Amino acid sequence: EVQLVQSGAEVKKTGESLKISCKGSGYRFANYWIGWVRQMPGKGLEWMGIIYPGDSETRNSPSFQGQVTISADKSIATAYLQWSSLKASDTAIYYCARIDDDGSAFDFWGPGTKVTVSS
Amino acid sequence: IVLTQSPATLSLSPGERATLSCRASRSVSTSLAWYQQRPGQAPRLLIYDASKRATGIPARFSGSGSGTDFTLTISSLEPEDFAVYYCQQRSDWYTFGQGTKLEIK
Repeated sequence: EVQLVQSGAEVKKTGESLKISCKGSGYRFANYWIGWVRQMPGKGLEWMGIIYPGDSETRNSPSFQGQVTISADKSIATAYLQWSSLKASDTAIYYCARIDDDGSAFDFWGPGTKVTVSS
Repeated sequence: IVLTQSPATLSLSPGERATLSCRASRSVSTSLAWYQQRPGQAPRLLIYDASKRATGIPARFSGSGSGTDFTLTISSLEPEDFAVYYCQQRSDWYTFGQGTKLEIK
């Protein structure tokens, strides 16, 4: 059974750094792209970027370029999303999701990590 | 590519037929998926490649369309179908529509 398990909720201050994780199981983690999706409070879904754990090739949405860093460690089947300096506007739920064989859809999703940033 | 979903909110009763629309700003061929998101839950893939049902998705869900105009149809609404639905394209990286909220009338 494919599963994506995400790290727990975070409460941070503006300017702090943060790294959240997404651990895959039940499939060959290195062989499927993983995407990160943001959902701000009461809003829709926004694609942030993707990573191929096999070689760590990464592609970022222009909207998030330079704002976050996506990485992965295939040896422990885990992908990461990190910020060097959080802003209040980073308050959101962040989902990781596996991209299917064709690269066309997000077929399995993690439960999300809620990040709250306050001053 | 911008995806525009309509209507923003759809009010129907259980047993009725739901028709949700997604329009792309330029052709995405059939590289379009649909997701359902219930309150407090992660999105769930329903339809990919415009018309293919994902594993475990009931037959009452169907997708159609190509190019710029797509439709998600739920043939007979069940209580658990009232949720928010998003379309997503893969022709030019990834973008999502703004969502359609399907609510109980």
